[in-house]
Amino acid sequence: DIQMTQSPSSLSASVGDTITITCRASESVSNYLHWYQQRPGAAPKLLIYGATTLESGVPSRFSGSESGTDFSLTISSLQPTDFATYYCQQTYGFPWTFGQGTRVDIK
Amino acid sequence: QVQLQESGPGLVRPSETLSLICAVSGDSMSPYYWSWIRQSPGKGLEWIGYISTRGSGTTNYNPSLKTRVTISWDTSKSHFSLTLTSVAASDTAVYYCARHWGYGGASRGFDSWGQGIQVTVSS
Repeated sequence: DIQMTQSPSSLSASVGDTITITCRASESVSNYLHWYQQRPGAAPKLLIYGATTLESGVPSRFSGSESGTDFSLTISSLQPTDFATYYCQQTYGFPWTFGQGTRVDIK
Repeated sequence: QVQLQESGPGLVRPSETLSLICAVSGDSMSPYYWSWIRQSPGKGLEWIGYISTRGSGTTNYNPSLKTRVTISWDTSKSHFSLTLTSVAASDTAVYYCARHWGYGGASRGFDSWGQGIQVTVSS
């Protein structure tokens, strides 16, 4: 299985901050890397697909980048609604796998 | 806008069979792919498998569950289902259904999810 390792596992930030979450794949996943936001008690919500493409309706303060097997999700100017858990997912090799999540909470 | 809704029993006894349905409304099930995913505190998010509405309904399962899982599609009722046999406490989780599409089945991620259903395996 392709292992997806996120870092950090949690972070504290303030409204208005810019944060970056990283996801490293244990082998190539091409750009079949997607980011999700999950608020407590809710289902994951797709933010970015194909490593860098913003899903329709998602604010432009979310962005994704890639460098080989390393991927990043950056959130600029954190808003109160952004405090949540974020997951990466690869859909390149079966079985499709998720990272363990990064929890973002209020400092 | 597509909506997905999971339904089924919230409690299943060990060694029995778990059966869930995902009802799809607001859009056609074709030509998309449809997955089941589960989430538990111990294992995080785990992809269970998918069914394709293209052709004859190709399925693809996570090898860790393959011997116990069946995903099927009812074209007339616009829903798909999950059957998981011989359940154990480790199958306790929130189960989600989701839609995806694109090259290879999910090059554009899982763009729509159900709200999830808690399933507990206990006697």
